Amino acid sequence: EAQVTQNPRYLITVTGKKLTVTCSQNMNHEYMSWYRQDPGLGLRQIYYSMNVEVTDKGDVPEGYKVSRKEKRNFPLILESPSPNQTSLYFCASSLSRNSYEQYFGPGTRLTVT
Amino acid sequence: DQQVKQNSPSLSVQEGRISILNCDYTNSMFDYFLWYKKYPAEGPTFLISISSIKDKNEDGRFTVFLNKSAKHLSLHIVPSQPGDSAVYFCAASGTGANSKLTFGKGITLSVRP
Repeated sequence: EAQVTQNPRYLITVTGKKLTVTCSQNMNHEYMSWYRQDPGLGLRQIYYSMNVEVTDKGDVPEGYKVSRKEKRNFPLILESPSPNQTSLYFCASSLSRNSYEQYFGPGTRLTVT
Repeated sequence: DQQVKQNSPSLSVQEGRISILNCDYTNSMFDYFLWYKKYPAEGPTFLISISSIKDKNEDGRFTVFLNKSAKHLSLHIVPSQPGDSAVYFCAASGTGANSKLTFGKGITLSVRP
């Protein structure tokens, strides 16, 4: 089954404790992206990757890091989480940057206390 | 600066009637528009799209209309069903260097049985 998976689905952590949210897709997609969804703000792009070892900032990259060492995986790293990073996070992938239809993972709800 | 605007946060419709979800955009470089549907605890899923060279695209009960001069698009669902109750995101993209999806805040549709 073609899918995007994220882990963990739920996470509660404390300020400053480094964490990684994993994302994996099995569709051989080149383009992968991370979004956060906040009430009243919709979906905002954090980082994206057009291919292996090619990543770039989205609209709200502060406080986040990503890496793309393999085509299928695109982890999101919070080196020192803060309460304002409490949010619902989605990973997405598409065939290429110009493929507008993106496939989304199920989401990771992160709470930073 | 919100480039894709969904000004109504919610809409309630009787089952069997038409649902009309509206979306406005400000960036004249956008030339491809999509609607995503999101159920609770799931990621957004692609619903329907339209290119700027068209003014209408239909897929079963779902029709998207585009008015380029007004920078406005709408999603019509006819007839509405209780299973259509979800959050609907409007998204827009340009081409080439501008091919990044920009999402609206979303609108919550409730279809009453």
